Amino acid sequence: NAGVTQTPKFQVLKTGQSMTLQCAQDMNHEYMSWYRQDPGMGLRLIHYSVGAGITDQGEVPNGYNVSRSTTEDFPLRLLSAAPSQTSVYFCASRPRDRRGWGQPQHFGDGTRLSIL
Amino acid sequence: AQSVTQLDSQVPVFEEAPVELRCNYSSSVSVYLFWYVQYPNQGLQLLLKYLSGSTLVKGINGFEAEFNKSQTSFHLRKPSVHISDTAEYFCAVIYSGNTPLVFGKGTRLSVIA
Repeated sequence: NAGVTQTPKFQVLKTGQSMTLQCAQDMNHEYMSWYRQDPGMGLRLIHYSVGAGITDQGEVPNGYNVSRSTTEDFPLRLLSAAPSQTSVYFCASRPRDRRGWGQPQHFGDGTRLSIL
Repeated sequence: AQSVTQLDSQVPVFEEAPVELRCNYSSSVSVYLFWYVQYPNQGLQLLLKYLSGSTLVKGINGFEAEFNKSQTSFHLRKPSVHISDTAEYFCAVIYSGNTPLVFGKGTRLSVIA
C-alpha cells in the first residue's frame, strides 16, 4: 500500500514550458486535491475533485489544469510555466465513509518545482 | 469565506517547557479539525484530529488539542517539548460535507536547548 505517490520529486523548468505533475493513490479515495506551499502562506488549494469525472477550482487555480479520468489518478498540468509558480506542490486524498467526508487527508511527499 | 487563523507565525520555546499553538476557525455548525506537522524538507504528517465526541483529543508524540466550540478554537498543547519537536505546525478544518480542507498559514515551533 503506497498511499499517495507524487512524481517527480524535483523539477526545474524554463518560463513558458509546460509540464504535468503526477499524483496517484491506491486507497480508493474519492476525494483528491492539489495544494501549493509557499513560505508564510500555508497550503493553498489549487484544484480538487470529489470523484472521477468531477473537478473544481480552489483558491489559486489560474495557470493550472486538472482532470480526473480514474479514481486513482489526479494529474496537475502547468500550461505555460511562470516564475510565480515556483513552489512546493502537494497532492492529497481522503475517503468518504458512512459518516461523510470528515476524514483526515493523506498527503504525498511533494514536488519541488523551480521556474527559471 | 471560511478561514483558519493561526495566531502566531513563530513560537520559540526552551526544551522541556510547555507550549501552546493557537488556532481559531470561522464559526460553523459542524466542523472537522486537524493538526498536521511538517518537519524540515518533509511532507505533512497527521498529528491529531477531532471529528466528534470528547473535546480533548490526544495525538502522536505527546501532543493534545482541545476543541472549544464557543471560542471556535482548537489549540494544540504539549506539556514538555523536545528538540525533535522543532517543525512547522498547521491547523486545518473541513467545514462541511465534501468541501476542501482549509489550512492556516502555519506556526513554526523552534525548540531551544
